[in-house]
Amino acid sequence: IAGITQAPTSQILAAGRRMTLRCTQDMRHNAMYWYRQDLGLGLRLIHYSNTAGTTGKGEVPDGYSVSRANTDDFPLTLASAVPSQTSVYFCASSKAGLAGKQGAGANVLTFGAGSRLTVL
Amino acid sequence: RKEVEQDPGPFNVPEGATVAFNCTYSNSASQSFFWYRQDCRKEPKLLMSVYSSGNEDGRFTAQLNRASQYISLLIRDSKLSDSATYLCVVGHNDMRFGAGTRLTVKP
Repeated sequence: IAGITQAPTSQILAAGRRMTLRCTQDMRHNAMYWYRQDLGLGLRLIHYSNTAGTTGKGEVPDGYSVSRANTDDFPLTLASAVPSQTSVYFCASSKAGLAGKQGAGANVLTFGAGSRLTVL
Repeated sequence: RKEVEQDPGPFNVPEGATVAFNCTYSNSASQSFFWYRQDCRKEPKLLMSVYSSGNEDGRFTAQLNRASQYISLLIRDSKLSDSATYLCVVGHNDMRFGAGTRLTVKP
């Protein structure tokens, strides 16, 4: 089934540990995104990538890093987790990202099911 | 200040009511506008895109006002199944979300 797969679904992590959230899409979408969702704050953009090999910072990038070695994968790494990074993390993708590919619906986001992370 | 501001509600309305949500954005270069729906503990899903001329999909009407930098969503004849959180999304290459408006439709 085409779509986005996130792993793990849920994780409890000790503060100070390193953690990588995985995101894989099979739709050949150019752009990928990582959001965190916290009660009362909605979804906040952490990092994004418009195409393989490029990344950009969103609203709340501190404490997180990403890489985009290929079209399909966009892992999010917490180098040293802190309790304030307890959240639900959503990965998303869209067709857009390359110049000239901004047709109607190009920026429609498709989301993964989310990864619930608790940092103690 | 967030780039995308949305009234958090909550909105509690009876079945059959008409309800409107608004969302303002600060980046005048924004090119893409959407409304998403999110059910409890699930991922957001596209409700509808918002076009410059306004657009309608059944009971849902979306409008964009570029001059005032806001988008709106109107739900007519609300159903129990419309109960959810509605999220506005604005952007170009980096898509930004409003905080979401919680709607509860009661019998």
